[in-house]
Formats: sequence, C-alpha cells, structure tokens
Amino acid sequence: NAGVTQTPKFQVLKTGQSMTLQCAQDMNHEYMSWYRQDPGMGLRLIHYSVGAGITDQGEVPNGYNVSRSTTEDFPLRLLSAAPSQTSVYFCASSRTHGETQYFGPGTRLLVL
Amino acid sequence: AQSVTQLGSHVSVSEGALVLLRCNYSSSVPPYLFWYVQYPNQGLQLLLKYTSAATLVKGINGFEAEFKKSETSFHLTKPSAHMSDAAEYFCAVISNFGNEKLTFGTGTRLTIIP
Repeated sequence: NAGVTQTPKFQVLKTGQSMTLQCAQDMNHEYMSWYRQDPGMGLRLIHYSVGAGITDQGEVPNGYNVSRSTTEDFPLRLLSAAPSQTSVYFCASSRTHGETQYFGPGTRLLVL
Repeated sequence: AQSVTQLGSHVSVSEGALVLLRCNYSSSVPPYLFWYVQYPNQGLQLLLKYTSAATLVKGINGFEAEFKKSETSFHLTKPSAHMSDAAEYFCAVISNFGNEKLTFGTGTRLTIIP
C-alpha cells in the first residue's frame, strides 16, 4: 500500500496562475480532506469529501475548488493563485468521518 | 463548536527527562481526541487517539495521554525523552457524532537538549 500520495512535492507559481494539486489514496477510504499548514496556525481544513461525487467546504475554502469523481482521487485546484496561498498543503483520508486520518507527505507551494 | 488549545508553542527538554505537552479542548458533546506528530518535511502521523474507551491511552514510541473530562485536558507525556522525539506535535478534536470536522491545535515544537 502506498497510502496517501501527493504530487508535486514543491511548486512555484506566479500570481494569477492556476494549478492542480493531486492527491490519491489506495486504502478505499470514503473520507478525504485537504488542509493547509501555516506557521503558528496549525492545520486548517480547506475542503473535504465524504465519498465520490460529494464535496463540501471547510474552514478556508476561498480560492480553491475540489471534485471527487472516484474514491481514490481528490484533486485541489487553485483558480488564480495569490501570495496568501503560499503554504504547505496536506491531503488526508480516513475510512469514515471521525476515524484516524492518514496524511500524505505534503505539497509546498510558493506563490510569487 | 469545538476547539483545541495547546499551551506552549515551543517546549525544550533534556534527553532522558519527562516530556509533557499540554492540550485542552472544548466540545459541547463527548469528543474523540488525537495526538499527531510531524517530523521535519513530512506529513502527520498518528501517535495515539482517545475514543471513549480507557481514559489512559498508550501510543507509539512510548507516548501516552490521559483524558480528563473534569479538566477538559488530554496532555501528552513520555517518561524519558529521546533525541528522535524532536518534532512538532498536534492535538486534535472531533465530536463523536454530528457534522463537526477534525479541529487541530496550533502545534507544539519539541526540542531535545543533549
């Protein structure tokens, strides 16, 4: 099992560019989520999904889109990158809501 | 609503000394509580979790935490620190039913002094 994988590991964008952060899990987990980690702020939930075809907003959804067409994949799209989106992004999955979440290795994003 | 407070953004202990990382939670319903560890440039991995069974929970790498409802606390301890324990530690809470999402504290960076 690869667990939760994320690509790319590191990305530099210019303001206004768009990109997609990829996340995949091979544990057949229903629940997947995206967090951003900023110094002194812990992890904040961006979007989450309770199953294929179902997504919802978390604490800080503005500027991000998600979709969940399969159980395995949960990509995060930045529509028009801003410097405030410079952060480390983590994808996580769990069997159901409330169970242990398994985290990917993260994507470090720098927006200039 | 639920929240987590981690007292002390940085904690330093000597190798072999007791590790104590503090976590207080707020939840209107019985919570599930988690401690995660993050090593440099890595994702988070679960240390231990409380899900309303035994109040003293043992985790990996010799860590344990005790759920104290009267104090709304879930402090993380380890009797003897090792250099490999240097990392950032996050406490997290979620209600055991309902639509709340996992809420993280702001983290505590643990430094081990040789």
